[in-house]
This record gives sequence, structure tokens and C-alpha cells, in this order.
Amino acid sequence: AQSVTQLGSHVSVSEGALVLLRCNYSSSVPPYLFWYVQYPNQGLQLLLKYTTGATLVKGINGFEAEFKKSETSFHLTKPSAHMSDAAEYFCAVSDLMNTGFQKLVFGTGTRLLVSP
Amino acid sequence: NAGVTQTPKFRILKIGQSMTLQCTQDMNHNYMYWYRQDPGMGLKLIYYSVGAGITDKGEVPNGYNVSRSTTEDFPLRLELAAPSQTSVYFCASRAARLEKLFFGSGTQLSVL
Repeated sequence: AQSVTQLGSHVSVSEGALVLLRCNYSSSVPPYLFWYVQYPNQGLQLLLKYTTGATLVKGINGFEAEFKKSETSFHLTKPSAHMSDAAEYFCAVSDLMNTGFQKLVFGTGTRLLVSP
Repeated sequence: NAGVTQTPKFRILKIGQSMTLQCTQDMNHNYMYWYRQDPGMGLKLIYYSVGAGITDKGEVPNGYNVSRSTTEDFPLRLELAAPSQTSVYFCASRAARLEKLFFGSGTQLSVL
């Protein structure tokens, strides 16, 4: 079964600083990888996804992630943090169930705190 | 477009009570899901549906039931509520495999 591990339950940055949220995956097949963001009291929203092709994926709100097969990583970055980026971020990998259905397996989340 | 709508937003149940969490989407999506989110645990899949009349168990189905009589609606039923079912529940839908999931705003349930 596929899985993801998010390193760090909390990450604190200053406004304008680089954001780096780490995600490592475990997969026996070429993975499909996703980053979702959850703002307070809301459901999750897709930031970006990697399926095939270019390994550097650009998403919404200036975020991007790079798929590195050799490191089994899919870290999320943003050059300059805004206060509005404060949220919880979830990495996810697509996993094939016994029924043939593909489900998303989510990491435990990383809460990003942005200080003025 | 309303997207995915969940009701209620909050609910407190007593042990042994039953309730139905409602979920409806107006995007004509075939795939619908119920997740629960517990602190520090990420999201776990409870049930899913690939179309009207077709449902199946996810990772943590015990204590729950679902039905999918129409494309739009995917209610989640809790029978005999237990404290272990205290959680935030999210309904989600998507058009096709690997397309993005659209989430509702969640139902916060406490079982006391």
C-alpha cells in the first residue's frame, strides 16, 4: 500500500521567508502525488498535483512542488510567505484498493504558522 | 455553483443515538467520498461511491452506513453513536479518477 510521511507537524516562518513543507512517499508503483491546503473551518482545497511528465509542478497561490524519485520526496515550497498562507497542508498519494478503486492516502498534516 | 454542501455543521450526540450527515453536490460528479479527520491523524476514508446505487467500504467503515440513490446525494448514517466517532467529517466529490477532490466545509460531531 502507498503511504506518505510529512515531516514536522508545525512549521513557523516569518512573512517574506521561504516556505518548505516536507513530504516523503512510499510507493511500489509510479506515484500520483497531491498537496491540499485546509484553512480554518473549511474543507481541503487542491494546491497542486503530480501525475506524469514535468517533475516541477506549479500550483495555486505561488506554491510549487518537485517530484524527486531518487529521494522519494514531494516537498512543497513557496519563495515568500504571506500571512494568508497560514493553514494546514496535507500531502497525499493515490493508492489502488483491492476493489480496483483508487483512493487518496493523506499524510498527518503540517500546520504552517506565519508571523509578521 | 454551491459545490459540495454538508449539513449540519455541528452536532452533539449522546452515546447510542443515531443521526444522518447529509451531503449533496451540484457538479454531477460520479465519485463521492466520506472522510473523517482526527487531530494529528490526517483523513481516513470511511465509504465511497462511484455512482448512484454503487457504494463500498473504505478504511474505517465500522459503525457507519451510506446510500447513494441519486448522483447528487450521499448521506452518511451513524447508528448507535460511540465516543470513538467524535471527529470532523468531510464529504468530497470528484468528476473522475485523479481529478481534484472538492470538499464540503465539514461536520463537527461530538459524542458524549
